[in-house]
Amino acid sequence: QLVESGGGLVQPGGSLRLSCAVSGFTFETYWMTWVRQAPGKGLEWVANINQGGSDKYHVDSVKGRFSISRDNAKNTLYLQMDSLRVEDTAVYYCARDQRWFDFWGQGILVTVSS
Amino acid sequence: EIVLTQSPGTLSLSPGERATLSCRASQSVSSSHLAWYQQKPGQAPRLLIYGASNRATGIPDSFSGSGSGTDFTLTISRLEPEDFAVYYCQYGVSPKTFGQGTKVEIK
Repeated sequence: QLVESGGGLVQPGGSLRLSCAVSGFTFETYWMTWVRQAPGKGLEWVANINQGGSDKYHVDSVKGRFSISRDNAKNTLYLQMDSLRVEDTAVYYCARDQRWFDFWGQGILVTVSS
Repeated sequence: EIVLTQSPGTLSLSPGERATLSCRASQSVSSSHLAWYQQKPGQAPRLLIYGASNRATGIPDSFSGSGSGTDFTLTISRLEPEDFAVYYCQYGVSPKTFGQGTKVEIK
């Protein structure tokens, strides 16, 4: 089970930290990913991280603003989002990453608006 | 970055008909990195196919995937009412990408 939290309404330029609490599999042995979906739009991969947290990749549109991380002791994945823009408004999903994404959270809405 | 282009954008079919969805990559990719998802309104995506042709756990055999190189296909052999949804293909090497989706709607 993957459960996201930390979403909500934030003003442009603001920050949020999303969390994804994981249970039901051995978290520390899997890559993890964040995917987002703007209202009425398709899916966009945002970032992923390897098992130990040493390898991270981010889509170009969020580089320098978003940072993925994980705490294996807490079975939790994070997405730190800074300098938020209106176009970051989306439902954010965390997912287990095996090149494909086989387990997904239910998603959390992030709204960036003044 | 690999760009995935799905066609058609919308497929209007009746229950019981066969659906054929296409996903074209901007350059040749390994089939081991190609996956397909189904998404219904208000729900998270569900993995259908991984490695281009392997059904995920619990996916009925009415769903099949094929293809190689730049051209991949998802086939639904006989549409059930619950199969009307949006379908996405996805490339599995970072930066990972999705196609823009194909909506399968009831005719």
